[in-house]
Amino acid sequence: GQQLNQSPQSMFIQEGEDVSMNCTSSSIFNTWLWYKQDPGEGPVLLIALYKAGELTSNGRLTAQFGITRKDSFLNISASIPSDVGIYFCAGRKRGSTLGRLYFGRGTQLTVWP
Amino acid sequence: DTEVTQTPKHLVMGMTNKKSLKCEQHMGHRAMYWYKQKAKKPPELMFVYSYEKLSINESVPSRFSPECPNSSLLNLHLHALQPEDSALYLCASSQILDRENTEAFFGQGTRLTVV
Repeated sequence: GQQLNQSPQSMFIQEGEDVSMNCTSSSIFNTWLWYKQDPGEGPVLLIALYKAGELTSNGRLTAQFGITRKDSFLNISASIPSDVGIYFCAGRKRGSTLGRLYFGRGTQLTVWP
Repeated sequence: DTEVTQTPKHLVMGMTNKKSLKCEQHMGHRAMYWYKQKAKKPPELMFVYSYEKLSINESVPSRFSPECPNSSLLNLHLHALQPEDSALYLCASSQILDRENTEAFFGQGTRLTVV
């Protein structure tokens, strides 16, 4: 199935640095979701976005729904070691009524103390 | 409460065994999903249930058989699996499907190993 283009694939940063990752698609999406997944666990929903241009924060995390409705980004400020994990973007396409979620390939984040 | 509970957390089974994975949610969600995830890959959709009826089967082999006994429960029956079926199996749920703007909540997964 279609996948979203998520970048970067991996990031190695020092504790305290800010992080930015994004997702793009050739199709219009009506919902963007950002998940974090720890090894051996299920994805945990971080932020949900529903409107073009919407900017939403959850603690040190901020995500935006692109105005073209074809992209989204996630920022993490002042990273800490527990931010380590794989971050996935996911979205629902406009007109999708069968609940299908399209996933990006993930961004593997490593934080050095 | 945004909890989706999956059991067991780990499962090792032989290729001739029959086993079942279970999933439960009490959020009143009427859409439930099974995903398969290989290491360092995104989840791959297997099945979608809407109002306890199968609405999507992503051409999954018949050795995987889903069942939705009621609106809170989702099972995945396994029979004659292959070693390549070893993966993390994730259950998820969301509100009714004709609302496009709905989050999906995932369970913690079942780590399946086929020997």
